[in-house]
Amino acid sequence: QVQLHESGPGLVKSSETLSLTCTVSGGSISTYYWSWIRQPPGRGLEWIGYIYNSGRGSTNYNPSLTSRVAISVDTSKSQFSLKLSSVTAADTAVYYCVRGIVVGAFQYWGQGTLVIVSS
Amino acid sequence: DIVMTQSPDSLAVSLGERAAINCKSSQSVFYSSNNNNYVAWYQQKPGQPPKLLIYWASTRESGVPDRFSGSGSGTDFTLTISSLQAEDVAVYYCQQYYSSPWTFGQGTKVEIK
Repeated sequence: QVQLHESGPGLVKSSETLSLTCTVSGGSISTYYWSWIRQPPGRGLEWIGYIYNSGRGSTNYNPSLTSRVAISVDTSKSQFSLKLSSVTAADTAVYYCVRGIVVGAFQYWGQGTLVIVSS
Repeated sequence: DIVMTQSPDSLAVSLGERAAINCKSSQSVFYSSNNNNYVAWYQQKPGQPPKLLIYWASTRESGVPDRFSGSGSGTDFTLTISSLQAEDVAVYYCQQYYSSPWTFGQGTKVEIK
């Protein structure tokens, strides 16, 4: 069974960079689309972007965030990571790492990690 | 961006009765070359991540009870719970993965009447 686990600071200061890591177990990280999705408290879901680790590690980001976001993968550690720069209070959310069953349909989810941006 | 609009925002149904949630996309999410609608449905309970119920608009994920079904094509889709159980109380989201950015509906809260 594939399992995903998010880790990283739960508190980030405004204007700084949010950094999270997702550790994957129970399956190969070398294929599939690996995404980050966030959910502000009490609100809906927003797809942040994905990395497709088929050799080149191609990425695709939500245009609303593309100037601030980077997703990378470390195949040797079975991890992929999210960096979101210049954060504001609007970036406060539960962040999920996710794997798709098919491109864009999200089958496996981490439990999520709450990141609060403080001023 | 493709906007996904769900209706209603909330729904109260008696145990054992049918619940239906609608989702409308701002443009077609049907890809004729493979005859697929790029729509998924998720269930989210409090304090938990979303759970995939349906993909390709009507394909039930493994392990999902058969009282959950998805239908529709083009721009109009429906998630139906044929006989509501207490454990089905949750927020339900539709999502399109036809074009980037992949987008979700605003959610529909299902409660027991």
